[in-house]
Amino acid sequence: NAGVTQTPKFRVLKTGQSMTLLCAQDMNHEYMYWYRQDPGMGLRLIHYSVGEGTTAKGEVPDGYNVSRLKKQNFLLGLESAAPSQTSVYFCASSYDGQRQYFGPGTRLTVT
Amino acid sequence: GESVGLHLPTLSVQEGDNSIINCAYSNSASDYFIWYKQESGKGPQFIIDIRSNMDKRQGQRVTVLLNKTVKHLSLQIAATQPGDSAVYFCAENGTSGTYKYIFGTGTRLKVLA
Repeated sequence: NAGVTQTPKFRVLKTGQSMTLLCAQDMNHEYMYWYRQDPGMGLRLIHYSVGEGTTAKGEVPDGYNVSRLKKQNFLLGLESAAPSQTSVYFCASSYDGQRQYFGPGTRLTVT
Repeated sequence: GESVGLHLPTLSVQEGDNSIINCAYSNSASDYFIWYKQESGKGPQFIIDIRSNMDKRQGQRVTVLLNKTVKHLSLQIAATQPGDSAVYFCAENGTSGTYKYIFGTGTRLKVLA
């Protein structure tokens, strides 16, 4: 039981490049979330999903897209990376939309 | 290295003493609250939760207190250990049923030997 895993762990992008962050969970959870974490700020919700095939916007969705084609996976896409998207990204999953289980994070730098 | 938490409030506690970490939440409609612990370089980890119909809940070495009148949460850690050194976040569910949790900025706990 690996819990929540995230790929990649680190990435450096140039401005304008695109990439996809992958989150996978093996707990059969319905709810999945993508957050970003910046110095001095709490976790901010980017997008979330309440089940396979569904997605919804969080607090800071601009510049990101998501997909939940399979229940166990939640993908976060950056179509045209900007320096303001330099951050640590965390994925989380939840059985009932309450307690969340977090992945180890992806550290993204956009130059 | 740890880039998160550069400007966080810090609580320094002697090993063996009790720690109290405070959190002011923002939405009076929130009815579910969670405390998370985040160690350096790792994702947040669940510690304890509490619903708004309770004032206090106890776990193993941890107690959460909720004061809805002043919108205040506190996390008490008994007999603080070096392994408790981390950043602690509170989270509230905002408007019930939206699943959009609001996280506090966090408090860094340093345990002094």
